[in-house]
Amino acid sequence: SQTIHQWPATLVQPVGSPLSLECTVEGTSNPNLYWYRQAAGRGLQLLFYSVGIGQISSEVPQNLSASRPQDRQFILSSKKLLLSDSGFYLCAWSRDSPGEQYFGPGTRLTVT
Amino acid sequence: AQSVSQHNHHVILSEAASLELGCNYSYGGTVNLFWYVQYPGQHLQLLLKYFSGDPLVKGIKGFEAEFIKSKFSFNLRKPSVQWSDTAEYFCAVNIVSGNTPLVFGKGTRLSVIA
Repeated sequence: SQTIHQWPATLVQPVGSPLSLECTVEGTSNPNLYWYRQAAGRGLQLLFYSVGIGQISSEVPQNLSASRPQDRQFILSSKKLLLSDSGFYLCAWSRDSPGEQYFGPGTRLTVT
Repeated sequence: AQSVSQHNHHVILSEAASLELGCNYSYGGTVNLFWYVQYPGQHLQLLLKYFSGDPLVKGIKGFEAEFIKSKFSFNLRKPSVQWSDTAEYFCAVNIVSGNTPLVFGKGTRLSVIA
């Protein structure tokens, strides 16, 4: 069976510091991978998605970037965090064809 | 661009009351439709989905949803809610052609009181 991991679960970082959130999927190959940010009352905002290694689509221009160095690894990064980057970050995966997405447990990021 | 509207931000119901949460989407082509649920402190998980066929789909925990193509709607229903249904519910849509991500609505928070 497939599982998706995210770490860390929680993170507190000062403004201006770098960020690296990691997501890995087990039990499947060549998944589509997604990063979302969830804010109360605003639903899930798609940040990035990837259909293959090195292929990243950015949905919202902002202070974040994503990379996919390996087939089942998806990383969300920032060089300098802003207060507005605080939030709950969710990673998800899906199979090749459009359809159901499976979500990880999320990372709660607080920028102070 | 496609968008998803969920009409209610917060719904409060007593146990045993009936539930209907509205969801409308804006896209004229063929879509897949989903309802996800997030219980307090838990992952987002799939409640039910519609790809094709019978427009009335049944999901886990007694939930069902009806796809009405002419109204671009996919409303979620449950005849009798329980306290354990307290959660946030998200409607989502993606386009059948191509590897497109899900587009989510803003969510509806359901509070069920005893």
